[in-house]
Amino acid sequence: GQNIDQPTEMTATEGAIVQINCTYQTSGFNGLFWYQQHAGEAPTFLSYNVLDGLEEKGRFSSFLSRSKGYSYLLLKELQMKDSASYLCAVRDRDYKLSFGAGTTVTVRA
Amino acid sequence: ETGVTQTPRHLVMGMTNKKSLKCEQHLGHNAMYWYKQSAKKPLELMFVYNFKEQTENNSVPSRFSPECPNSSHLFLHLHTLQPEDSALYLCASSQDSGRPSYEQYFGPGTRLTVT
Repeated sequence: GQNIDQPTEMTATEGAIVQINCTYQTSGFNGLFWYQQHAGEAPTFLSYNVLDGLEEKGRFSSFLSRSKGYSYLLLKELQMKDSASYLCAVRDRDYKLSFGAGTTVTVRA
Repeated sequence: ETGVTQTPRHLVMGMTNKKSLKCEQHLGHNAMYWYKQSAKKPLELMFVYNFKEQTENNSVPSRFSPECPNSSHLFLHLHTLQPEDSALYLCASSQDSGRPSYEQYFGPGTRLTVT
């Protein structure tokens, strides 16, 4: 089976930076996704990485190292509305998407 | 309506009941998915349909029965469920399940409670 690990919870202060790490062991690799899920709502797409390096989208950036089976999501200039669960998901050689359990980020004033 | 919609949003059913969950996508996508989300656990893929054909059944018990009459609609028929089946059931769609870069768009989910 696939193995995707990410921390369960993180807490940070408004305006700060938080880095959510994700490590994975999958049967082949066809891309890594990050999703945001607010409590009681649908997950929404944040980023996609398939090549090594950093992808930047406004306050959010995502990094991938395929050789290390590692990614991180960087949230800058944290806002209260960023309090949510962040899901790491990896697509394997058969294009099947497997999710981590999610990291709950709490932003405090 | 835009995006992916699911009905009902909440459902309470007994173990002997039969009910159905409905999902509709308004994005012109060709692939649809059912996921189960339990507290503190990863999203579990249940079924995948691509161009109305089922391409994945992730060892789901037969008390869950999917139906995909066309690319825009997906149903999950439920019968004789167990209390451990209580969870959030999420529907998603994407352009094509066979293309790696296409992200999935999720519906708001149905919160199911089996009593």
